[in-house]
Amino acid sequence: DIQMTQSPSSLSASVGDRVTITCRASQSINSYLNWYQQNPGAAPKLLIYAASTLQSGVPSRFSGSGSGTDFTLTISSLQPEDFATYYCQQSYSTVTFGQGTRLEIK
Amino acid sequence: QVRLLESGPGLVKPSETLSLTCSVSGASVSSYYWSWIRQPPGKGLEWIGYIYYSGSTNYNPSLKSRVTISVDTSKNQFSLKLSSVTAADTAMYYCARASSYGTKPFDYWGQGTLVTVSS
Repeated sequence: DIQMTQSPSSLSASVGDRVTITCRASQSINSYLNWYQQNPGAAPKLLIYAASTLQSGVPSRFSGSGSGTDFTLTISSLQPEDFATYYCQQSYSTVTFGQGTRLEIK
Repeated sequence: QVRLLESGPGLVKPSETLSLTCSVSGASVSSYYWSWIRQPPGKGLEWIGYIYYSGSTNYNPSLKSRVTISVDTSKNQFSLKLSSVTAADTAMYYCARASSYGTKPFDYWGQGTLVTVSS
């Protein structure tokens, strides 16, 4: 099985900050990497697919990069609605999710 | 607008079979991959498996022996059965659509249904 490890597990930041979340795969997954945002009590929402392609309707302050085993999700200028939990997910071999990164207000 | 809606019992006894249905509107189950994903309270996401309209399936290896996902194209629904449940199967269960191209991202999700395993 391919393991996905996110870092950090939690992060405190302020509105306007630039933040980066990292996701590492236990083996190469090419660009078979998707990112999701989950707010409390809600279903996850697709942000980015294929490592760097922004899903329709997602603000351009979100961006993704990486290939192989190392990937990043960057939020260029945090907005109040961005404080949530973020998950990476690989689909190179079946499906596995990272453990999540909780983004909190400082 | 694509909408998915989970339905089924909210309480299941240990050792019994959990059964859920996902009703789809705004899209046909005769396209795309259709998946079940769960989330124990306070924990992360766990993929259970998916089905293609043709009936081909792919399951999480850790759950494979207990999982069956099926599709009913006449009702535009797909279903999950998880046998021999224990308290560890208590979770919010989501159904989701996965695009049939590229990285198969889960682009539409249901609101989720909480299933508790308890006697």
